[in-house]
Amino acid sequence: DQQVKQNSPSLSVQEGRISILNCDYTNSMFDYFLWYKKYPAEGPTFLISISSIKDKNEDGRFTVFLNKSAKHLSLHIVPSQPGDSAVYFCAAVSGGSYIPTFGRGTSLIVHP
Amino acid sequence: NAGVMQNPRHLVRRRGQEARLRCSPMKGHSHVYWYRQLPEEGLKFMVYLQKENIIDESGMPKERFSAEFPKEGPSILRIQQVVRGDSAAYFCASSPTGQTQETQYFGPGTRLLVL
Repeated sequence: DQQVKQNSPSLSVQEGRISILNCDYTNSMFDYFLWYKKYPAEGPTFLISISSIKDKNEDGRFTVFLNKSAKHLSLHIVPSQPGDSAVYFCAAVSGGSYIPTFGRGTSLIVHP
Repeated sequence: NAGVMQNPRHLVRRRGQEARLRCSPMKGHSHVYWYRQLPEEGLKFMVYLQKENIIDESGMPKERFSAEFPKEGPSILRIQQVVRGDSAAYFCASSPTGQTQETQYFGPGTRLLVL
């Protein structure tokens, strides 16, 4: 029973355009959300996070949006660059926990 | 300013052998987490340790798997009598204080292949 779902296994985007990666969750106890980026043969790298008290968090080219009523979050990358090509994992944490629950990841390919 | 280190990066074992995976946390971090990633899956939490203590092992199989984080040296994830289903990438992460919502920093992983 997946509590964090990334329904698109892959996404292909042209360089300079916007990349939108989506994530849905089912557990209403989740109150902190993270995005990790992973290159092949490397470990995940923390990218950006958002607390449930916010609906948007921005860091440079990366913005995460949270829609609590829909239990949905998305990561926007604009403009996309070829170096952004990686697998992106959405993760969620319940209040009082220290262990994130991960989605299966979305593989982003940014074409030059 | 080394990050989280894991070795070996690749490990091949035959069924029934033992696998030992090592993790050295980032400097100044005393909290270590182990995750497993099966093919086409997300990372699944296995165990959370502090120095000389297992804090949470709720994600670790009851049999054949054990973990430790001694006072000196790296954290060790040990898998006895490996089976083909143990083939996966094993990632270690560390954090400074273990507080909730604290960012965990991941190592490069150990890819275990059981023949």
